[in-house]
Amino acid sequence: AQKVTQAQTEISVVEKEDVTLDCVYETRDTTYYLFWYKQPPSGELVFLIRRNSFDEQNEISGRYSWNFQKSTSSFNFTITASQVVDSAVYFCALSTSGTYKYIFGTGTRLKVLA
Amino acid sequence: NAGVTQTPKFRILKIGQSMTLQCTQDMNHNYMYWYRQDPGMGLKLIYYSVGAGITDKGEVPNGYNVSRSTTEDFPLRLELAAPSQTSVYFCASTKMAELFFGSGTQLSVL
Repeated sequence: AQKVTQAQTEISVVEKEDVTLDCVYETRDTTYYLFWYKQPPSGELVFLIRRNSFDEQNEISGRYSWNFQKSTSSFNFTITASQVVDSAVYFCALSTSGTYKYIFGTGTRLKVLA
Repeated sequence: NAGVTQTPKFRILKIGQSMTLQCTQDMNHNYMYWYRQDPGMGLKLIYYSVGAGITDKGEVPNGYNVSRSTTEDFPLRLELAAPSQTSVYFCASTKMAELFFGSGTQLSVL
């Protein structure tokens, strides 16, 4: 069975602090994809990144970076120098080649205080 | 491109009423999904479809029905609305890459 765990329900940081959102996944498939989505207070779901199981390279996009480690089944997301506009709920998701399903974690609510 | 379009955006139903949430996409995606998001919770998969004429149950299908007669449309039907179906409903589509989401339908059953 596939499962995504985001153990951090809510995180509060002060602006300009760095913050890491954790994501742990479970799957028996060798081919799978991991995703992060952002849900701002307005409610829409915004795609941030996709990673496939064969590419463990870390990725950086501006203040955002992602650390994929198959050895610990983790796909963590770091925001450097957080800003108030980063306040949102962040979801980690998993899809596998065999099921066509996309399974989401329960989300981490990030509050960035000015 | 409009992407994924959901209608209506808001709806209030009385217990026992029926309604259909509409979802259409113009990206020629084969795969379409319905999720529900309860307050403060994650997204739970209701139904999905891998192509016209093919649908399958997700994690929480009870109380819902779907059909997929065309590639573009994937309506979600609530037959006998119950308070437990109060939620925000998201439709999504993909070509098996990232999901593209609609803007959501906020449904209250009173």
